[in-house]
Amino acid sequence: GDSVTQMEGPVTLSEEAFLTINCTYTATGYPSLFWYVQYPGEGLQLLLKATKADDKGSNKGFEATYRKETTSFHLEKGSVQVSDSAVYFCALSAPGGAGSYQLTFGKGTKLSVIP
Amino acid sequence: GAGVSQSPSNKVTEKGKDVELRCDPISGHTALYWYRQSLGQGLEFLIYFQGNSAPDKSGLPSDRFSAERTGGSVSTLTIQRTQQEDSAVYLCASSATPGLAGGPLYNEQFFGPGTRLTVL
Repeated sequence: GDSVTQMEGPVTLSEEAFLTINCTYTATGYPSLFWYVQYPGEGLQLLLKATKADDKGSNKGFEATYRKETTSFHLEKGSVQVSDSAVYFCALSAPGGAGSYQLTFGKGTKLSVIP
Repeated sequence: GAGVSQSPSNKVTEKGKDVELRCDPISGHTALYWYRQSLGQGLEFLIYFQGNSAPDKSGLPSDRFSAERTGGSVSTLTIQRTQQEDSAVYLCASSATPGLAGGPLYNEQFFGPGTRLTVL
């Protein structure tokens, strides 16, 4: 079945440091790829997405490129802020039963940014 | 506009009792999903509803779990004879009809705040 593997946390960085969270996937066909973020005390929010190979998703200074050849979708940000502290989930969406496009999530990576 | 809402936000119950969790999707969204977020298993898909079609129940962990969606809108997830391993945050998400908003594989799901279930 489909699966997503992302680097285990927690990750602690100083403000303005460079961030990379690795994500690789296994899927049949051509999934869409997502990064979701969960800020403390809040619900899951879509951070960025890519729907086909070589697409780059970007939002709030975060970027991720859909790499079909390496089945990866690594999340990067050039300069993190304290407000980026959250749990980040990599996910894929592919056709399932009854026309479902349910999300398959990685385990999540907790990021803490210290001043 | 209003987002996805869920109630209750927290539910504490005793082992063996039945619980009902409610989800109100975004108005106009035809697709509705339930997920479970637990420490041991991460985020897991439970069930999917699309309009009046038969739901995809492939993620339900046991026959103690069931869900319905009335009138294509509000959904209720029911857990019968709760067990301690059912303790988790239950998340609901809704989306527009998959495939209509940008391509056959595009699917942006909007999540509710979740219901935290604790089984004592």
